[in-house]
Amino acid sequence: EAQVTQNPRYLITVTGKKLTVTCSQNMNHEYMSWYRQDPGLGLRQIYYSMNVEVTDKGDVPEGYKVSRKEKRNFPLILESPSPNQTSLYFCASSFSGGSSYEQYFGPGTRLTVT
Amino acid sequence: GDSVTQMEGPVTLSEEAFLTINCTYTATGYPSLFWYVQYPGEGLQLLLKATKADDKGSNKGFEATYRKETTSFHLEKGSVQVSDSAVYFCALTRGGGATNKLIFGTGTLLAVQP
Repeated sequence: EAQVTQNPRYLITVTGKKLTVTCSQNMNHEYMSWYRQDPGLGLRQIYYSMNVEVTDKGDVPEGYKVSRKEKRNFPLILESPSPNQTSLYFCASSFSGGSSYEQYFGPGTRLTVT
Repeated sequence: GDSVTQMEGPVTLSEEAFLTINCTYTATGYPSLFWYVQYPGEGLQLLLKATKADDKGSNKGFEATYRKETTSFHLEKGSVQVSDSAVYFCALTRGGGATNKLIFGTGTLLAVQP
């Protein structure tokens, strides 16, 4: 089954404790990205990757890091989480090279930073 | 910059009522337009899309027409069901862009009552 998986689904942590949210896709997609969803703001892009070892900032990258060492995986790293990073996070993937390609979303990770 | 504006919710309807969710956009070039749906506790799923002016996207009884003259992509369904209760997001990607980045509206919560 074609899918994007994220782990963990729920996470409660404390300020400053480094964490990683994993994302994996099984569709051989080149393009992967991370979004955060906040009430009244919709979804905003954090980082994206056009292919292995190619990453770039989205609209709200502050406080986040990513890496793309393998095509299927695109982890999101919070080196020193703060309460304003409490949010619902989604990973997405698609084929690249065309803006009309459907993006497939993971089920989301709800993060709470206290 | 590019942006998407959609009507605020929540929208509450009775089963079998007619649904319209308004969406307008601002973008340079020729964007592709999308409606994504988010069911409770799940990630986003593509509902329908349109890639050029006057295209009509349709799926599961939902329709939306790409109107370049009014920069709109309104979502409609003739007879809603309780199972349509979800959050609906209008989104665009910039035509010819290199990144596939989705720009989302803030989402509209639809609640259908039996």
